[in-house]
Amino acid sequence: KAGVTQTPRYLIKTRGQQVTLSCSPISGHRSVSWYQQTPGQGLQFLFEYFSETQRNKGNFPGRFSGRQFSNSRSEMNVSTLELGDSALYLCASSPRTTNTEAFFGQGTRLTVV
Amino acid sequence: KQEVTQIPAALSVPEGENLVLNCSFTDSAIYNLQWFRQDPGKGLTSLLLIQSSQREQTSGRLNASLDKSSGRSTLYIAASQPGDSATYLCAVLPDLTQGGSEKLVFGKGTKLTVNP
Repeated sequence: KAGVTQTPRYLIKTRGQQVTLSCSPISGHRSVSWYQQTPGQGLQFLFEYFSETQRNKGNFPGRFSGRQFSNSRSEMNVSTLELGDSALYLCASSPRTTNTEAFFGQGTRLTVV
Repeated sequence: KQEVTQIPAALSVPEGENLVLNCSFTDSAIYNLQWFRQDPGKGLTSLLLIQSSQREQTSGRLNASLDKSSGRSTLYIAASQPGDSATYLCAVLPDLTQGGSEKLVFGKGTKLTVNP
């Protein structure tokens, strides 16, 4: 069974640009969550999607957005990039939303210069 | 607000030693607790999941315990090997029925180095 796939693995962008990251969950999993990991703040929750609906959102500015498609694949978008957006972005896949094990992808390393 | 703390932040041990990593959380209203391993620059690998009704889980040389009432979990690694070197993270999933938010809350991790 294939794991969680995140693309691309690495990205370098310039301040002010926008970026789109993709996550394909484990087959049959309908819940996808996104986390940002930085050395200073650790892992912070961005948002969660289930059946194409955003169910929960973390404390991030509106420049961070996401969506989920009917096949459960998810994308997150960051507009007007800032240097502080440089981080490892991790996607987690779960079969459902409640009381379930989360499986993470390898992450996308975003560097903003 | 749920907070998760992991102590120590870093640990260095000689190969073959048994060791314990600690995780504490402030709110006992949780569905489950997960331990993860993260290698440098990589994603998270799930090691063990303990449901709130369980006391411990075992997988190979790993044993995780959960004391929900005291807000503590430990990850025991037996006969450590250099390949165990990584950062170990614990995360709790708050219980929605008791007002929690449906998201994992992570500790900052313990960076483990096992020296040959």
